[in-house]
Amino acid sequence: DVKVTQSSRYLVKRTGEKVFLECVQDMDHENMFWYRQDPGLGLRLIYFSYDVKMKEKGDIPEGYSVSREKKERFSLILESASTNQTSMYLCASSFWEGDEQFFGPGTRLTVL
Amino acid sequence: KQEVTQIPAALSVPEGENLVLNCSFTDSAIYNLQWFRQDPGKGLTSLLLIQSSQREQTSGRLNASLDKSSGRSTLYIAASQPGDSATYLCAVVMNYGGSQGNLIFGKGTKLSVKP
Repeated sequence: DVKVTQSSRYLVKRTGEKVFLECVQDMDHENMFWYRQDPGLGLRLIYFSYDVKMKEKGDIPEGYSVSREKKERFSLILESASTNQTSMYLCASSFWEGDEQFFGPGTRLTVL
Repeated sequence: KQEVTQIPAALSVPEGENLVLNCSFTDSAIYNLQWFRQDPGKGLTSLLLIQSSQREQTSGRLNASLDKSSGRSTLYIAASQPGDSATYLCAVVMNYGGSQGNLIFGKGTKLSVKP
């Protein structure tokens, strides 16, 4: 079975802190994605990566950056956390573009 | 711009009932459509993936259909159980050059199955 893991289930940070969210998949998938989920807004794509060191902006990249140094690991970085980044963050991966996507358990981030 | 809509937003049924969840999309140029289940505070579990060339997919008590020309998909759940209570999300991947392969989601239908 595909397994996508995220480094933390719950995280509480202060405004202005640098925050790292880690995602690891164990199925040698090419594509990895970061989404955020908010009540009333649904899931929205922040960034995705289709190969090591490759990244593309999604619908809401402002305030975020990403890093993919190894194929199995995709990190989301909040350079200076703000309260409007309080959200549920979900990582996903797929073998190729358009293939079935598998999601991690999510990280509930609260920025105070 | 693709828009995915799920109606109703919430549904409550007695245990044992067969039910249908609806998903509609405005742009029929999709590559595939995926149904997910999400339990409160948890990640998404993939239920079924339908490629654009397919009409339906089945897994156990679940059957998903796709009518691309009319922009609709349905998820049929047979003999519902309290354990089926969750939010069900549908999402599409677009089928054109430059598509990022990312999913475009509906806002979900929250299902409650009463014992």
